[in-house]
Order: sequence, then structure tokens, then C-alpha cells
Amino acid sequence: DGGITQSPKYLFRKEGQNVTLSCEQNLNHDAMYWYRQDPGQGLRLIYYSQIVNDFQKGDIAEGYSVSREKKESFPLTVTSAQKNPTAFYLCASSQMYVGYGYTFGSGTRLTVV
Amino acid sequence: EDQVTQSPEALRLQEGESSSLNCSYTVSGLRGLFWYRQDPGKGPEFLFTLYSAGEEKEKERLKATLTKKESFLHITAPKPEDSATYLCAVQASTGANSKLTFGKGITLSVRP
Repeated sequence: DGGITQSPKYLFRKEGQNVTLSCEQNLNHDAMYWYRQDPGQGLRLIYYSQIVNDFQKGDIAEGYSVSREKKESFPLTVTSAQKNPTAFYLCASSQMYVGYGYTFGSGTRLTVV
Repeated sequence: EDQVTQSPEALRLQEGESSSLNCSYTVSGLRGLFWYRQDPGKGPEFLFTLYSAGEEKEKERLKATLTKKESFLHITAPKPEDSATYLCAVQASTGANSKLTFGKGITLSVRP
């Protein structure tokens, strides 16, 4: 079955540590997105990519980095510069057609310990 | 700037008590309005896409409608399993042509 897979489901980060969240899709979608979700804040866009080897900052990119070396993969690194990283992170993908919505992964919950 | 406002923030219903969730939007040329359902600790699940004013779509106890300024998600005779957060999003005709702008969501709780 086609879908989008995020791993791990739970992740714990120590202060000053970089961590990488994985996102893989086999839907042959061109575009991929990373969102952060906090209680009462809704979904906030971190980064998105519409083609391989290209990506754009979203609304809250500071303290995060991404790469898009393959169409299927869009990993997100939460760096030590992100001062409040505890949140639920969602990856999504879509085709580049207007009127086409997102398919979401199941999310990664990151906690700073 | 595209904006989506959902109301109320939270809604508690008795099983069988029908109601509506509201999504108001401002967008520079609407290409699509999307409704998603999200269960706690999970990713959003697609429900509906609406493209033009006057359009309606139904799925089981849910019915989505669209006007030029807002969308409603009507829930008829809800059951406890309808409890979830419902997200609304819009896609504009300008800018990155697949990017969605989301509202903050409406948390629905249905009591047995």
C-alpha cells in the first residue's frame, strides 16, 4: 500500500543535541512538507520542498534544517539552536496540482529531556 | 496573506445532538478547501475537498458545504467515535501552488 512513513514515533533529545526525524513516501508525490503542532497553535509550516534538491523555509524554520536528495525522502533535523523543540512533528506529501490535498504521516513526538 | 479561522475552538455534544463546525477563510483565489480529521497522537486523515461555492459533499454522518467566505462541517446524530479534532485548510491560486494554510482546529467531544 502507498503511504507516508515517519520514524521514530517517539524521540527524546538531550539539551544541545541534534536529532533527525525521518519521513519517507512511496506515493510518487512531488512535494513534501514538515509541520510542527503544539496545543492550541494548530499546524505551523517549518520547511517544504517541491522538487529534489530544492526546499523553502516556512513560517518557523529557525533551528531546523532539511534535505531532499531523493524524491521519496525528506528528513528534518532539529538542531541545538531550536530552543523549544518539544512538539508533535508531522510530515506530509502531495502532488503539485492545484486542488490536490496532503497525505500525512503518523507523526513523531519529540521531547527534550 | 491567506487566513483560516475555525470556530468554536472546542465543542461538546451529547450523542445524537447534531451541530455544525465553522471555517471562515480569506484567500487570494480559492483553489480548494480541505477538511481533515485528527485523532490524538495521530496524523490528520483526509475527509473532503470542496472547490467552489455551493458545493456539498457527504460521508456517513458528515456533510461539508462551501460559500465564498466560509465552510461548514455538519455532523448529524454524532456518535462517540466522531470525537476528534477537525482541521480546515485552504489552497490558494497564487504562490506555491500546492501549499495549504491550516486553521487551528476544532476539538469535538461526543458524550454517550
